[in-house]
Amino acid sequence: GENVEQHPSTLSVQEGDSAVIKCTYSDSASNYFPWYKQELGKRPQLIIDIRSNVGEKKDQRIAVTLNKTAKHFSLHITETQPEDSAVYFCAAHAGGTSYGKLTFGQGTILTVHP
Amino acid sequence: DGGITQSPKYLFRKEGQNVTLSCEQNLNHDAMYWYRQDPGQGLRLIYYSQIVNDFQKGDIAEGYSVSREKKESFPLTVTSAQKNPTAFYLCASSKGGNRGNQPQHFGDGTRLSIL
Repeated sequence: GENVEQHPSTLSVQEGDSAVIKCTYSDSASNYFPWYKQELGKRPQLIIDIRSNVGEKKDQRIAVTLNKTAKHFSLHITETQPEDSAVYFCAAHAGGTSYGKLTFGQGTILTVHP
Repeated sequence: DGGITQSPKYLFRKEGQNVTLSCEQNLNHDAMYWYRQDPGQGLRLIYYSQIVNDFQKGDIAEGYSVSREKKESFPLTVTSAQKNPTAFYLCASSKGGNRGNQPQHFGDGTRLSIL
């Protein structure tokens, strides 16, 4: 089955700096890669996603890049703000016999210091 | 998302007891999912359903059961066979489609503890 590795597990930055979180996946058939933000005790919220026919997608301060050859994808947050502090999860959908299944990474705790 | 309602918010289970967690959605989504989240860990899939009256085991289905009698409802029962049920349980839903690669939207979760 699919395996998703996420790094780093914790990330601390100063307000205004950029933050990058990286994920690798194992199944070359994976075709959909969402990113979720989860604040303490709350639901995960979808913040951006990318499909395998696209190499990069951007939404204001957030961008995601995908390298299918290397089987990794990354979340980039620019001009970080304290409200960006949360746990971020990447996920991969493999399709085929894994229809509908998302496999999640272990999460990255991002702390943005004022 | 306001369209997915989980209840109760907190639940306590006694030894040997089965408990049922409710998940209702009004988004007209075909697919629904149950995840378990332990402290400091990612989400692990328990069961999922792509269509009414059909569901599949996820990665950690042992000790759990589900039903999908209505499109909008996907209750999860934590049975007495689940020896370590303490966790945060999240329900999600997504549009269907033959590729299944649609965004999943989550409810607010149920926190289950052992008495």
